[in-house]
Amino acid sequence: EVQLVESGGGLVKPGGSLRLSCAASGFTFSNAWMSWVRQAPGKGLEWVGRIKSKTDGGTTDYAAPVKGRFTISRDDSKNTLYLQMNSLKTEDTAVYYCTTQLALPSGDYWGQGTLVTVSS
Amino acid sequence: DIQMTQSPSSLSASVGDRVTITCQASQDISNYLNWYQQKPGKAPKLLIYDASNLETGVPSRFSGSGSGTDFTFTISSLQPEDIATYYCQQYDNLLVTFGPGTKVDIK
Repeated sequence: EVQLVESGGGLVKPGGSLRLSCAASGFTFSNAWMSWVRQAPGKGLEWVGRIKSKTDGGTTDYAAPVKGRFTISRDDSKNTLYLQMNSLKTEDTAVYYCTTQLALPSGDYWGQGTLVTVSS
Repeated sequence: DIQMTQSPSSLSASVGDRVTITCQASQDISNYLNWYQQKPGKAPKLLIYDASNLETGVPSRFSGSGSGTDFTFTISSLQPEDIATYYCQQYDNLLVTFGPGTKVDIK
């Protein structure tokens, strides 16, 4: 069974940093492209960024609002995805989801989300 | 970046009604479009992929169509359990984008 479990959320002050983790199981993590999606309270879904598998280059892409502040990385030996968030702003307050899309159909998976609150 | 628009932003319909949501991309995305359903407090659930393919286990009352810039999502007969917010998502570009969502409730 595929599982994605996010952790690391919490309360942080504006300008601070936080690192989120996503522990993956039930599939070959090293082959998967992994993404982060966030949702501010009462708002819609916003794609944050993606990291490709190392076999596909391991490159990252980011949405404009987080580019230069957020960094996505992966540790294939630990089956874990990371989101390093620096220079946090109040508008980064959101539930952050880890997600992957393996072969379709029946290959779209999301974690339960972790809440990040940026407030003084 | 590719921008996605959805309409309406919300709708209220009766059980059994046909519900249609439209999604428009700011440029040609071929058929690289998904439709998601999200219920409060839950992660999104994929319903339709590649614009018109029904995800496994999703009831056949849900359907999608379109290509290029204009897409349609339809619930043929609205059920109480379909109360949710629906999002389109394009993945033609390296930078994925979601539409703003359509909130569906029962009249």
